[in-house]
Amino acid sequence: DGGITQSPKYLFRKEGQNVTLSCEQNLNHDAMYWYRQDPGQGLRLIYYSQIVNDFQKGDIAEGYSVSREKKESFPLTVTSAQKNPTAFYLCASNARGGPAEQYFGPGTRLTVT
Amino acid sequence: AQTVTQSQPEMSVQEAETVTLSCTYDTSESDYYLFWYKQPPSRQMILVIRQEAYKQQNATENRFSVNFQKAAKSFSLKISDSQLGDAAMYFCAYRAQPGFQKLVFGTGTRLLVSP
Repeated sequence: DGGITQSPKYLFRKEGQNVTLSCEQNLNHDAMYWYRQDPGQGLRLIYYSQIVNDFQKGDIAEGYSVSREKKESFPLTVTSAQKNPTAFYLCASNARGGPAEQYFGPGTRLTVT
Repeated sequence: AQTVTQSQPEMSVQEAETVTLSCTYDTSESDYYLFWYKQPPSRQMILVIRQEAYKQQNATENRFSVNFQKAAKSFSLKISDSQLGDAAMYFCAYRAQPGFQKLVFGTGTRLLVSP
């Protein structure tokens, strides 16, 4: 089955700790994205990558970092510099060209206390 | 910068009835795509329907159809014969074309469906 997996579904961390969220896709998509979802704010773009070893900041990149060493994988690290990290994080991917609708993973709920 | 506005935080509909969710957007581009995504309580984002701006014909997918008014920059979603399973958050999204395929989302409309 082709799709996007995110793990874990729920993640708990203490303030001051870095945490890495996993995102893997087997759709052979070039582009991958990380979104953050907060109540009443829709989805906001954190980082995106259109090709291996290349990525760009989205609208709210401060306090986050990513890597894209493999086409299938796009992990997101939430650093201690992120002031309000508790949120729901969604990973997405799409193929190049055409309407190229984005396919989403099931998400990770991160709680930092 | 492109923006997407959903002015209805919450809508209610009875089973078998029809409901329309509103979306407006702001862009200076002439070629772009518009999407409606559904997010049920599981929080999995599911594509409902998409519309290419260069197409005059409104997109339809079974019980879901859109009213795309390019000049007015309006993109509403009509759900016919509503079902309990339609209860979810609905997000309108915009993507420019060509180039980077960033999605810009509205803040969402929560749809409640009653028996």
